Amino acid sequence: DQQVKQNSPSLSVQEGRISILNCDYTNSMFDYFLWYKKYPAEGPTFLISISSIKDKNEDGRFTVFLNKSAKHLSLHIVPSQPGDSAVYFCAANAGLGSNYQLIWGAGTKLIIKP
Amino acid sequence: EAQVTQNPRYLITVTGKKLTVTCSQNMNHEYMSWYRQDPGLGLRQIYYSMNVEVTDKGDVPEGYKVSRKEKRNFPLILESPSPNQTSLYFCASRFRQGRTEAFFGQGTRLTVV
Repeated sequence: DQQVKQNSPSLSVQEGRISILNCDYTNSMFDYFLWYKKYPAEGPTFLISISSIKDKNEDGRFTVFLNKSAKHLSLHIVPSQPGDSAVYFCAANAGLGSNYQLIWGAGTKLIIKP
Repeated sequence: EAQVTQNPRYLITVTGKKLTVTCSQNMNHEYMSWYRQDPGLGLRQIYYSMNVEVTDKGDVPEGYKVSRKEKRNFPLILESPSPNQTSLYFCASRFRQGRTEAFFGQGTRLTVV
């Protein structure tokens, strides 16, 4: 059973507009969440994270929102740029009880249209 | 430069021929992991290691072995590769305690024929 779900396999957004990528999780014990970006033929690279004690974290064009009651987080990219076209993975830290393993979503392919 | 280095980047092999994919990190991280990425399945953890001589199974450990004799190295061993192990493999490392990000290698594209 997938504990971290990214329900949209792909998303197409016009350049300059907002991209919103979503992620749902099932385990309320997850206490830290991360977003990664992956280009073809490269390893995933860390983008932004959020602790469960916060509801928002911002870094430049990237903002992550966490709704603990809904077990939902989202990544907002504003404005979207062509270089943002990539696969985005959401991950959750499972905490001490699970040896701090990272639990990954299946990824969302973001396509920025010029 | 802080990095995770995997070798080889590409490998084509035949069924049953033992192979090893190496992984090395220079950040003094305790925690290292191996993942495989398959279309529509995201990143699935094969094995992980919380420190030297401490390894544990991830979600898809069958057909793989690992060892952690030194802190910086975490090789992935396929004793008898099969075609269903054709995949893209990533090694990652991070500090052990929870709220830190993982650093990934460039990936190894393995094809078993």
